[in-house]
Amino acid sequence: GAVVSQHPSRVICKSGTSVKIECRSLDFQATTMFWYRQFPKQSLMLMATSNEGSKATYEQGVEKDKFLINHASLTLSTLTVTSAHPEDSSFYICSARDPHRGLGGYTFGSGTRLTVV
Amino acid sequence: GESVGLHLPTLSVQEGDNSIINCAYSNSASDYFIWYKQESGKGPQFIIDIRSNMDKRQGQRVTVLLNKTVKHLSLQIAATQPGDSAVYFCAENNFNKFYFGSGTKLNVKP
Repeated sequence: GAVVSQHPSRVICKSGTSVKIECRSLDFQATTMFWYRQFPKQSLMLMATSNEGSKATYEQGVEKDKFLINHASLTLSTLTVTSAHPEDSSFYICSARDPHRGLGGYTFGSGTRLTVV
Repeated sequence: GESVGLHLPTLSVQEGDNSIINCAYSNSASDYFIWYKQESGKGPQFIIDIRSNMDKRQGQRVTVLLNKTVKHLSLQIAATQPGDSAVYFCAENNFNKFYFGSGTKLNVKP
């Protein structure tokens, strides 16, 4: 089945630094990937849609200069949290869509736990 | 984003009983819904889906019901097992984006 790999699974960084999170589709090509953010005991909040070869589209209220998204190839999207602060600490999850599987072709990565100290 | 909410934040059931988790959605134009299971520290895992042109879909031990009139979804788990303990989310698809509800934590008591 479709597999999405997310790396790293955990990262701790100092306040003011930037962190890059990778999302890879391992056995399919994903023209579209999605980035979510999840605070403890809360739901997943869609941050942005990553489109291969074009700019990401961000949900309302999400700072595009803060959360840089690059969809460099059909199997890789990256999320960079720039100038991270403690309030950016969260669980970040990506999802990739396999266009050959129709509406059911969404697979989630295992998430990245970001802690900013 | 869309508004998808759940009626019950937590649900405790006895092992072997049936579980029912409910969800209300706000966008009547949503055409596809998925129930996800999320275990602690992990990404969401697909359970079952349903298109808006259906009102019921069954899987192995799980059934999803869709009532478009009142914009309501439910997930029924038969013979609930300890391994079913997790947080369950419904998600609605609109314009190829998924928006998640607030989640219900299911506790299965042995």
